[in-house]
Amino acid sequence: DTEVTQTPKHLVMGMTNKKSLKCEQHMGHRAMYWYKQKAKKPPELMFVYSYEKLSINESVPSRFSPECPNSSLLNLHLHALQPEDSALYLCASSQSHGTSGSETQYFGPGTRLLVL
Amino acid sequence: AQKVTQAQTEISVVEKEDVTLDCVYETRDTTYYLFWYKQPPSGELVFLIRRNSFDEQNEISGRYSWNFQKSTSSFNFTITASQVVDSAVYFCALSEAGTGRRALTFGSGTRLQVQP
Repeated sequence: DTEVTQTPKHLVMGMTNKKSLKCEQHMGHRAMYWYKQKAKKPPELMFVYSYEKLSINESVPSRFSPECPNSSLLNLHLHALQPEDSALYLCASSQSHGTSGSETQYFGPGTRLLVL
Repeated sequence: AQKVTQAQTEISVVEKEDVTLDCVYETRDTTYYLFWYKQPPSGELVFLIRRNSFDEQNEISGRYSWNFQKSTSSFNFTITASQVVDSAVYFCALSEAGTGRRALTFGSGTRLQVQP
């Protein structure tokens, strides 16, 4: 089973709202990722968690706040977003991260976010 | 620095035609991994294949085949007898074993449209 689930599928929020995106995997993977994808562009890495610890932050603005409550769950807390933050947010997981670069990442279906 | 180039922005074929998607990469590492992902309109990136730099054997999986040539730094993907369900954006990606970042570098993607 290579399933990564994400909720919600769609989200519309105002610039003053606070919302959270959720990601879950039950493959026993110990690395989880957040990506942002704008239309007609490839995914851009935002954060990597390895063994529930933040290991990579790609200089993401602080209005995006990741959280990894346990090895199966990954959240992305959103606050005071801008319209240019509208995008598809993808979560991924892999067996591990940082050992050899060989780990295959499995992606969820994404959350389509619109910031008004 | 690593780089992945997918020069074909968009390809349109008629069902049952064969189609090849090109991927050219740049890396200074001797150990690296190449991936192909499919992204249908629903948004989820679907893992198709992983190949390491020491394995130049071509691979076939049903209607899909991959041609890895280190001499030309290419990892091309062929779909034989294309079907409408193959319509998607296809991403080639590279991961290096030697860098500290251990992140996927994606190409810009090739949008494939298969007309009935």
